[in-house]
Amino acid sequence: DIVMTQSPLSLPVTPGEPASISCSSSQSLLHNNGNNYVDWYLQKPGQSPQLLIYLGSNRASGVPDRFSGSGSGTDFTLKIRRVEAEDVGIYYCMQALQTRTFGQGTKLEIK
Amino acid sequence: QVQLVQSGAEVKKPGASVKVSCKASGYTFTGYYIHWVRQAPGQGLEWMGWINPDTGGANYAQKFRGRVTMTRYATITTAFMELSSLTSDDTAVYFCAREMSYYYYGLDVWGQGTTVTVSS
Repeated sequence: DIVMTQSPLSLPVTPGEPASISCSSSQSLLHNNGNNYVDWYLQKPGQSPQLLIYLGSNRASGVPDRFSGSGSGTDFTLKIRRVEAEDVGIYYCMQALQTRTFGQGTKLEIK
Repeated sequence: QVQLVQSGAEVKKPGASVKVSCKASGYTFTGYYIHWVRQAPGQGLEWMGWINPDTGGANYAQKFRGRVTMTRYATITTAFMELSSLTSDDTAVYFCAREMSYYYYGLDVWGQGTTVTVSS
């Protein structure tokens, strides 16, 4: 199974400041079609997860453009340009190349 | 609107089985896979498997093979996840989520979650 490793696991951020979460995979997630099969999800407190980014860098419908995804192969990053209070929650990366595996989650909190 | 509505909370005894439903509406049911993901209390997300509502074919995570069965009734646009031989470790919130079958757009719609408690 592909293992997904996130860092940091806890991320205190001041509103208006940027934030960055890393995710590395035990195998390359680059498909021969040129897409990287990694998504990012946010689970706000008490809610179901919601899709932020799919195929490494594509924002899902309705996701603010302050969220961006990048990376290729085994190393990926989710960036939030300016954190807002509503961004609090746990962020997960997930690989979709072979079945599915989630990272451990990164808890973003407001300082 | 597009939504997945899951069945209500369940309390089961160890050794029993539980069957959770996921009712889809607002889109073509057979055009999207249904995934099942669970979350134990205070823990992260764990993928369990998926079913193709068009063919009925399913793919389960190794951990759950032999204990999980995913089915669907296309006529009522509902998917089901049954987990048997329950232990306290199966106490969790179970989510369903959809994925387009012919192009990958991620797991873009999720159900509200079903709490399953296993206790003697």
